[in-house]
Amino acid sequence: AQSVTQLGSHVSVSEGALVLLRCNYSSSVPPYLFWYVQYPNQGLQLLLKYTTGATLVKGINGFEAEFKKSETSFHLTKPSAHMSDAAEYFCAVSEDGNQFYFGTGTSLTVIP
Amino acid sequence: NAGVTQTPKFRVLKTGQSMTLLCAQDMNHEYMYWYRQDPGMGLRLIHYSVGEGTTAKGEVPDGYNVSRLKKQNFLLGLESAAPSQTSVYFCASRKLGETQYFGPGTRLLVL
Repeated sequence: AQSVTQLGSHVSVSEGALVLLRCNYSSSVPPYLFWYVQYPNQGLQLLLKYTTGATLVKGINGFEAEFKKSETSFHLTKPSAHMSDAAEYFCAVSEDGNQFYFGTGTSLTVIP
Repeated sequence: NAGVTQTPKFRVLKTGQSMTLLCAQDMNHEYMYWYRQDPGMGLRLIHYSVGEGTTAKGEVPDGYNVSRLKKQNFLLGLESAAPSQTSVYFCASRKLGETQYFGPGTRLLVL
């Protein structure tokens, strides 16, 4: 069965500091992995995705994530947080590309 | 392109009432999805469709029905609303091999 675990429902960082949001998954086959961002009262927007190939994936707004099969992880990072990064972040997994399973989300607060 | 639109944006129902949520996309996408989002639960898939005239159950289908009579529309029905169906509902669509585009959401309150 597929599932996603996001460690830390709330993360606070100072402006300019490293952002690290953790995602671990379970899957019986090589999965597709995604990170989405949700701003208040809006739908989800794709930040980045891993399908095949290079395990370090770069996304929009300076975010990147690394697929580590041995650790079943897909952590999201950004070197320097900006105030506009404050939002809810969701990790998602799909084995077949049809059904997607989302984590419970991590709320990121950026402190000026 | 309007993208993915959802109607209505907000609705209050009484227990036992019925309603239909409409999702429309103008991107000629084959796949469409209905999710519900609850605090601390993330998004959970209710039903999805891989093409016009086809639907399939997702993770939490009970209490909901769907129809995809036209490629651009995906309807989510609640026959007899329950307070447990209070949630924010999101629709999404995508082309084969591409990522999902999400609508702005419908907030439903069942009293």
